Amino acid sequence: EVQLLESGGGLVQPGGSLRLSCAASGFTFSNYVMSWVRQAPGKGLEWVSAISGGSGTTYYADSVKGRFTIFRDNSKNTLYLQMNSLRAEDTAIYYCAKGIGSGGIFDDWGQGTLVTVSS
Amino acid sequence: SYVLTQPPSVSVAPGKTARISCGGNNIGSKSVHWYQQKPGQAPVLVIYYDSDRPSGIPERFSGSNSGNTATLTISRVEAGDEADYSCQVWDTSSDHVVFGGGTKLTVL
Repeated sequence: EVQLLESGGGLVQPGGSLRLSCAASGFTFSNYVMSWVRQAPGKGLEWVSAISGGSGTTYYADSVKGRFTIFRDNSKNTLYLQMNSLRAEDTAIYYCAKGIGSGGIFDDWGQGTLVTVSS
Repeated sequence: SYVLTQPPSVSVAPGKTARISCGGNNIGSKSVHWYQQKPGQAPVLVIYYDSDRPSGIPERFSGSNSGNTATLTISRVEAGDEADYSCQVWDTSSDHVVFGGGTKLTVL
C-alpha cells in the first residue's frame, strides 16, 4: 500500500523559511516523479513543483520559482520542499503526490501539512 | 499560461446524471485528468487520460474530451458523490501542471 506522509508545516512569519518533508513507502520511490501541490483555504488546487525520479529535472510554478526548492533523497525515500522568502499568499495545505504517466498524473496523495504565513 | 475553466458549482438530484465541464484552448489535444476531493480529505484521482478509470473507481464515472471542452460525467449520482471535482492537464509549452478552479457538486 502506497503511503505518503508529509511533515514540517507550521506557523512562520512573512519572509521566513520552512522545510517540508514527505516520507514515502509502499513503492519504489526512485522510479517516480514526485510533486508538491498546495491548496489555500477555501481555494482550488495549485501545483507547486515536481522532480524527476533521479533528481535530474525539476519544475516550478511561476509563483514560487526562485523562492522554493524541491529535492529528494532516494536513499531515505523522502521528498522535500525548501520554502524561503515566504509570503502570506503561500498559506495553504501542502500535499505531496506521486506521479504516473511521465509524472503528470497524481495517483496517490498524502494527507497534507498546513503552512501558515502570518505575523 | 494555459487556463482551465470550470463552473463553480453543479447541482443534481440523486439518481440523475451530473456533467462537469472543463474548458481550455484546444483542450482536446491534451490529456485531461480529474480529481475528487471531499471536505477535509486529500484529492483522489477518478479519471485519467480523458476517460480511463483507476481501479476502485465506479463505472458510473466517465470522461470525454474534444475541441475546447473536457467533461466528467457521473451517472446515477449518489449522495456520496458530493465533493469538489478538479480537472488537470500538463501544459507542454510551459512544462507546468495546470488545474482548473474546481467545481462543487451538490446532490440535492
